[in-house]
Amino acid sequence: NAGVTQTPKFRVLKTGQSMTLLCAQDMNHEYMYWYRQDPGMGLRLIHYSVGEGTTAKGEVPDGYNVSRLKKQNFLLGLESAAPSQTSVYFCASSYEGSNQPQHFGDGTRLSIL
Amino acid sequence: KQEVTQIPAALSVPEGENLVLNCSFTDSAIYNLQWFRQDPGKGLTSLLLIQSSQREQTSGRLNASLDKSSGRSTLYIAASQPGDSATYLCAVRPNYQLIWGAGTKLIIKP
Repeated sequence: NAGVTQTPKFRVLKTGQSMTLLCAQDMNHEYMYWYRQDPGMGLRLIHYSVGEGTTAKGEVPDGYNVSRLKKQNFLLGLESAAPSQTSVYFCASSYEGSNQPQHFGDGTRLSIL
Repeated sequence: KQEVTQIPAALSVPEGENLVLNCSFTDSAIYNLQWFRQDPGKGLTSLLLIQSSQREQTSGRLNASLDKSSGRSTLYIAASQPGDSATYLCAVRPNYQLIWGAGTKLIIKP
């Protein structure tokens, strides 16, 4: 059972570079989310999607863009990476409805030098 | 604004003890509360989910309770084992997103 798969698992970027993080889920979930986790803090929502072709801003969206062209994939883009974006990024998915549990990937550890 | 607090930030206990982890939240308007486990360098494993209409959930040696009126949840771990060592996070769901606590780092000493 693959569940939620994130690629890559690790990445080091230089300031100003761009990259895309990929999240894929095989559970036919409608909702998908991108969170970031920083030391000593809880996870914070960056962007989310309630269905194919739709995206919305979360708590900390600045500096990130997302796309949901296919139901199973949710992409997180950094157009011009900054050291403040050094973090662990988690993708999650869930069925429709706010009472549904969210299922998480293993995370992407991103360092911006 | 919903805020979630977990105290203590770290806890170390001998193997075999029963223990309680605490989670408090400021707004009782939630759909559910989840407890997660995170191992170092790993992802998040969902342990228990309590819907807003429920009072508790149990899975094996784990029992989670929810008191919405007081804004509190507890995670009870019975007969702790070294393999239980991890960071435990709670999160509440007021809408689409989860609002997270910073976690309690648990160390079980053999």
